[in-house]
Amino acid sequence: SAVISQKPSRDICQRGTSLTIQCQVDSQVTMMFWYRQQPGQSLTLIATANQGSEATYESGFVIDKFPISRPNLTFSTLTVSNMSPEDSSIYLCSVVLAGPNTEAFFGQGTRLTVV
Amino acid sequence: QKEVEQNSGPLSVPEGAIASLNCTYSDRGSQSFFWYRQYSGKSPELIMSIYSNGDKEDGRFTAQLNKASQYVSLLIRDSQPSDSATYLCAVRQAAGNKLTFGGGTRVLVKP
Repeated sequence: SAVISQKPSRDICQRGTSLTIQCQVDSQVTMMFWYRQQPGQSLTLIATANQGSEATYESGFVIDKFPISRPNLTFSTLTVSNMSPEDSSIYLCSVVLAGPNTEAFFGQGTRLTVV
Repeated sequence: QKEVEQNSGPLSVPEGAIASLNCTYSDRGSQSFFWYRQYSGKSPELIMSIYSNGDKEDGRFTAQLNKASQYVSLLIRDSQPSDSATYLCAVRQAAGNKLTFGGGTRVLVKP
């Protein structure tokens, strides 16, 4: 596996503001993803973070609301923009490591509360 | 129809018994299957991966895959109270690298 550092671990934000979440991995990775997990729900993929190019967003998620950067192989950020209480959720970074296996691992998550 | 389906539970099992969790998926071309354990307030932790038909054992865990029936299961032998968690089934679809998760099965192991 790898050490995946995600920060902040939690935050309470005012509506209308933005929060940027960082994900740093200590190993070479092939894929990086961002997920959302709403209270009592399973994981929903927001987007695939592509190195050096625009992220690939899933249906229902748009770049203006969730801009993503991935300047290199081991680092990515997700911004939650113009937040509303409906954005209160856990946001998770996930990586697939370089190598023969295709297993995905998760960061510790960011618990976001919008008030 | 959901792409990956699990019984939400809770699945209540006595300590020492076998817990049996099931998962079905809709994409017949899927090649990779995973089980994650998630404790309340924590992120998912990978416990098993399986790529070919049959059984795969790792300690007290056994994953079973049947691609013809589009079915993957997880058995937890000698269940312990520390196994109480939500278990997520994840499937990597044939096209692309993204994982699709089931809704999760909550397991409660009672002493």
